[in-house]
Amino acid sequence: DGGITQSPKYLFRKEGQNVTLSCEQNLNHDAMYWYRQDPGQGLRLIYYSQIVNDFQKGDIAEGYSVSREKKESFPLTVTSAQKNPTAFYLCASRTGSNYGYTFGSGTRLTVV
Amino acid sequence: AQSVAQPEDQVNVAEGNPLTVKCTYSVSGNPYLFWYVQYPNRGLQFLLKYITGDNLVKGSYGFEAEFNKSQTSFHLKKPSALVSDSALYFCAVIGNNRLAFGKGNQVVVIP
Repeated sequence: DGGITQSPKYLFRKEGQNVTLSCEQNLNHDAMYWYRQDPGQGLRLIYYSQIVNDFQKGDIAEGYSVSREKKESFPLTVTSAQKNPTAFYLCASRTGSNYGYTFGSGTRLTVV
Repeated sequence: AQSVAQPEDQVNVAEGNPLTVKCTYSVSGNPYLFWYVQYPNRGLQFLLKYITGDNLVKGSYGFEAEFNKSQTSFHLKKPSALVSDSALYFCAVIGNNRLAFGKGNQVVVIP
């Protein structure tokens, strides 16, 4: 089945450590996105990529980094510079036509 | 910049009664509007979208939404709510190749 896979589902890290969240899609979508979800704040865009080897900052990019070396993969690194990293992270991809967005099942990151 | 507003934090409705979740939007150009639903610790599931055409859009699970250009609204509706409709609902609009979300509405359907 085609879709987006985010792993792991739950992730625990100590404060000050970098951590990388995985997002893989087999939908052949060009564009991919990372959102952060906090209670009562909706989803906020961290980074997005419309094509391989290119990505753009979203609204809350500080403390995060991404890469897009392959069309299928868009990993997100939460660095130690991110002040409040504990959140639910959602990855999405979009087909070029008809604005069809597909979301992964999310990764819940807890920093202790 | 594009944005959506979902004015109510929580919507409570009795099972079998009509359900309405409100959304207003702000975007330059033609609005492309979406509704998604989220269950706890899960991703977002697509319900419906308005790109062009009829103002009344029918979607998944018996939901529909009415696009109103003069009121810049895109309210989500269901004629008869089910307990299983209890979830978090997000309205979203496309602008600058990005999907911008409202803060979400928690819907609680009371048996």
